[in-house]
Amino acid sequence: DGGITQSPKYLFRKEGQNVTLSCEQNLNHDAMYWYRQDPGQGLRLIYYSQIVNDFQKGDIAEGYSVSREKKESFPLTVTSAQKNPTAFYLCASSMGDLNSPLHFGNGTRLTVT
Amino acid sequence: GENVEQHPSTLSVQEGDSAVIKCTYSDSASNYFPWYKQELGKRPQLIIDIRSNVGEKKDQRIAVTLNKTAKHFSLHITETQPEDSAVYFCAAKVGGSQGNLIFGKGTKLSVKP
Repeated sequence: DGGITQSPKYLFRKEGQNVTLSCEQNLNHDAMYWYRQDPGQGLRLIYYSQIVNDFQKGDIAEGYSVSREKKESFPLTVTSAQKNPTAFYLCASSMGDLNSPLHFGNGTRLTVT
Repeated sequence: GENVEQHPSTLSVQEGDSAVIKCTYSDSASNYFPWYKQELGKRPQLIIDIRSNVGEKKDQRIAVTLNKTAKHFSLHITETQPEDSAVYFCAAKVGGSQGNLIFGKGTKLSVKP
């Protein structure tokens, strides 16, 4: 429910490999976001996009990359340059206008060993 | 940079008691303050939000108060129930109308039956 789908729910990768997390929404929202959640750290913004073909770095963008080729999709790539990639990743979307709330996906738990 | 401080990090109450979670923010231009509830293993969900033109907002057992002068806002849950047990995150929008949400680190609320 909620119109935002993240896949897969669990993802395991070896150190040194890039991995892409999927996020799709059918809410017709303009803005999409990626957050990282670590225990005791709250939600930290990785990247966001307010419109197709445009995106901006958040607070912790190093080691990550994104694309926004379609309004519905905002995939996140965790590269081998990310020092501590193991985390819970949440995608969100919003209408993008003034003070519209975020709608979150169910998250992807990435484990890198 | 801008930040949001949230206290306490953990809170345990007896069923039927009230719970209060407090947040302070640093950006005096912040004008939107949502609260999210995240149950174990699930996505964060918006439970209430407040805009800077009001000082208080209530929705059944949940209320939020905002003091713009002191730059703090609080979540009040009355008549707590075991299903209120979750992690609660406050957030503040920084950087003006096109800015992003900065989240507090969360409060783990436990309601004991």
